[in-house]
Amino acid sequence: GAVVSQHPSWVICKSGTSVKIECRSLDFQATTMFWYRQFPKQSLMLMATSNEGSKATYEQGVEKDKFLINHASLTLSTLTVTSAHPEDSSFYICSARRGLAGKATQYFGPGTRLLVL
Amino acid sequence: EDKVVQSPLSLVVHEGDTVTLNCSYEVTNFRSLLWYKQEKKAPTFLFMLTSSGIEKKSGRLSSILDKKELFSILNITATQTGDSAIYLCAVQDPGTYKYIFGTGTRLKVLA
Repeated sequence: GAVVSQHPSWVICKSGTSVKIECRSLDFQATTMFWYRQFPKQSLMLMATSNEGSKATYEQGVEKDKFLINHASLTLSTLTVTSAHPEDSSFYICSARRGLAGKATQYFGPGTRLLVL
Repeated sequence: EDKVVQSPLSLVVHEGDTVTLNCSYEVTNFRSLLWYKQEKKAPTFLFMLTSSGIEKKSGRLSSILDKKELFSILNITATQTGDSAIYLCAVQDPGTYKYIFGTGTRLKVLA
């Protein structure tokens, strides 16, 4: 099956610093990737849709200046949490869309746990 | 507002039991409904359902979609402790390919 990787798996940082998370599709090209956030015991909440070569589309309530998304190539999207604060601590998961319209499926990365102290 | 609701929120059963997980949805546009299993990391894909009334089966797991009544069920027979996980249902928007995830059902199977 399709493989999506994320790096890093875990990150602990001090409040006020910026953290970059990478999402790579390893064996297919993905023009569209998605970024989700999951708080403990809650479901996945879509943050934004990352489109290769164009600006990301953010969901309502997600600050685009705080969560910077760059999709510079067909296999890589990055999420940068700028000036992170403790309330940004969460599990961040990316997915990459593979397949043609009508049969497209999202393949999820293993997730990145962020802890902001 | 698009909404996907799963029930129950949490379930504890003993090995060998059969469980039925429910997913109902109210969305503006529908392409497909997907089921995922999430253990400690990211969700793993189980089923994609697009047509009403056609059961998808994989081992002890099966799922069916009712597009008229806007719901799907996931059945797990002869449950094992390894089935303990959060089961997520998602509906895919045909225009944007976005997934709207449900609240999830946390299943715990006791030995």
